[in-house]
Amino acid sequence: QSVLTQPPSVSGAPGQRVTISCTGSSSNIGADYEVHWYQQFPGTAPKLLIYGTGIRPSGVPDRFSGSKSGTSASLAITGLQAEDEAEYYCQSYDSSLSTSYVFGTGTKVTVL
Amino acid sequence: EVQLGESGGGLVQPGTSLRLSCAASGFSFDYYWMTWVRQAPGKGLEWVANIKQDGGEKYYVDSVKGRFTISRDNAKNSLYLQMNSLRAEDTAVYYCARTRKDCSGGNCYYDHWGQGTLVTVSS
Repeated sequence: QSVLTQPPSVSGAPGQRVTISCTGSSSNIGADYEVHWYQQFPGTAPKLLIYGTGIRPSGVPDRFSGSKSGTSASLAITGLQAEDEAEYYCQSYDSSLSTSYVFGTGTKVTVL
Repeated sequence: EVQLGESGGGLVQPGTSLRLSCAASGFSFDYYWMTWVRQAPGKGLEWVANIKQDGGEKYYVDSVKGRFTISRDNAKNSLYLQMNSLRAEDTAVYYCARTRKDCSGGNCYYDHWGQGTLVTVSS
């Protein structure tokens, strides 16, 4: 069981805005460790989507944005497109665990 | 172009060993931390281990400590994962990932991934 909790699924119509939460605690997100986000399509390797909580790597569309508040982080997708249907994972560091680097539980985004 | 290619996966019996390799190209391998991440069938991502540029620091998830060893050969631009005493719960696709920032500081992340190699532990 991961220390970073995400909703199992979110959905939206094309063009809508959806958000994915990543809920942590005072020993990870709340301790000011950065949050990173990955996108994964079935049968393929994950791809870095957001790093440093809110920075997009080159080539990632600006409809993806990341933010953090307190012990939670969020990934927002504005102007949802069919090609955004994928699994999304947050990732951070937890100082209370010897298992230090942690991924969220994952969220499946479905475009209706 | 950054490229990472894992190899060495396969079907093995519980209690046996396997060595995974990851060949890197397109970047200065000895400049980066490197990481292994795994994904059990139908499950989420799990960090397994990471290693500093010079191999001087290594970190492992609790479930593999004492059984897995991460290593690297900078002269060969290669990353390795020696897996001993394999268990059914080690069954997963294993990815190597180029790692950004200093992992000893807690903020590292993975900007390039290989395609993964499947390890199946079953009798």
